[in-house]
Amino acid sequence: DADVTQTPRNRITKTGKRIMLECSQTKGHDRMYWYRQDPGLGLRLIYYSFDVKDINKGEISDGYSVSRQAQAKFSLSLESAIPNQTALYFCATSDRIGTSGANVLTFGAGSRLTVL
Amino acid sequence: GESVGLHLPTLSVQEGDNSIINCAYSNSASDYFIWYKQESGKGPQFIIDIRSNMDKRQGQRVTVLLNKTVKHLSLQIAATQPGDSAVYFCAEDSGNTPLVFGKGTRLSVIA
Repeated sequence: DADVTQTPRNRITKTGKRIMLECSQTKGHDRMYWYRQDPGLGLRLIYYSFDVKDINKGEISDGYSVSRQAQAKFSLSLESAIPNQTALYFCATSDRIGTSGANVLTFGAGSRLTVL
Repeated sequence: GESVGLHLPTLSVQEGDNSIINCAYSNSASDYFIWYKQESGKGPQFIIDIRSNMDKRQGQRVTVLLNKTVKHLSLQIAATQPGDSAVYFCAEDSGNTPLVFGKGTRLSVIA
């Protein structure tokens, strides 16, 4: 089984619909992240959480919300999806700083969302 | 503002040749620099990192060079193979903040 599992892998929805992307991890990492990838724009951070009680906005948090239900679970919600939220979404995890040198992220396989 | 970027958005190399992927950074306080490889349909995967107090680090067929004077980072892939075809991202690790990623370079290996 994958260390970081994202569901669904693909989703097509309509404008105005509420969408939830889920992420679960088996690495036992404290830190979890949601990134968005668009062609030519690289990976942009939406939200991140350094532990269960911690939620932080990234550079493009508008239109998104998150929930850290447990150490292993971090979900991303689009309350009212719009077409420019069509993108590839990645969840990632990392260990606490100081236990493994660089803050190396482990990514899920991605969730492709299309908003019509 | 702080940024991480790449000089070349695409790179095509002949199989067997060496590849060099470049990255510029602006935050001289970064602790580590990290390279990721993203194959089609997959999430980015860690390749190698380098601590800011080092100039060079070697892995299996890959070498990362860090030039702090000009704030430049490069990833060298020796004897490039078709399986090396992917998008490569550099990322800046400034400690207790999330990584900042560059926009990526697509490497295409010509057989």
